[in-house]
Amino acid sequence: DTEVTQTPKHLVMGMTNKKSLKCEQHMGHRAMYWYKQKAKKPPELMFVYSYEKLSINESVPSRFSPECPNSSLLNLHLHALQPEDSALYLCASSQVAGLAGVGEQFFGPGTRLTVL
Amino acid sequence: DAKTTQPPSMDCAEGRAANLPCNHSTISGNEYVYWYRQIHSQGPQYIIHGLKNNETNEMASLIITEDRKSSTLILPHATLRDTAVYYCIVRARTGANSKLTFGKGITLSVRP
Repeated sequence: DTEVTQTPKHLVMGMTNKKSLKCEQHMGHRAMYWYKQKAKKPPELMFVYSYEKLSINESVPSRFSPECPNSSLLNLHLHALQPEDSALYLCASSQVAGLAGVGEQFFGPGTRLTVL
Repeated sequence: DAKTTQPPSMDCAEGRAANLPCNHSTISGNEYVYWYRQIHSQGPQYIIHGLKNNETNEMASLIITEDRKSSTLILPHATLRDTAVYYCIVRARTGANSKLTFGKGITLSVRP
């Protein structure tokens, strides 16, 4: 299985809602990532988990809360978002192999989020 | 900030080779050149990477100049499905510089 899956594909939420995005991979990868991509812009890194521990937070507002419950799953909890948070949210995973370092990242199809 | 520069767009005819250039004049000795592409409304897809030798796989070839300051991704027989944004990224495999930092990329349009 060489796939990263993301659910839901589309999500519409109000500014007072709480929702979660889910990402799953079964490639045995021990690094997982969240990216945000606004329309016509490149993806921007938000968070990195390595061995289920948060290793990088790119100064993301606290209304985005990541969680890595196990080595296959990555969640992004959303609360009190703003309309400008509307974007494509991408999950990725990669191998981490000691001295060989971090391998290439495999991306999921993304969740398209609209905040009303 | 992205450490690469790419032209904003290019096109090529279906069936012909597409040669996509990338400049990375400040690349460090431990940094690799990676190429990803993103077809409209999909997640980015890994294509190929290299350190200093030329590389080839089933998707593409990567030619890196001897001084490593530039590279070219070659799609040998472009098809309409290769229309996408192609990102050239330099990154290390360990440490803080192992992050993928996407630049603006180059939009390749393959015409029938």
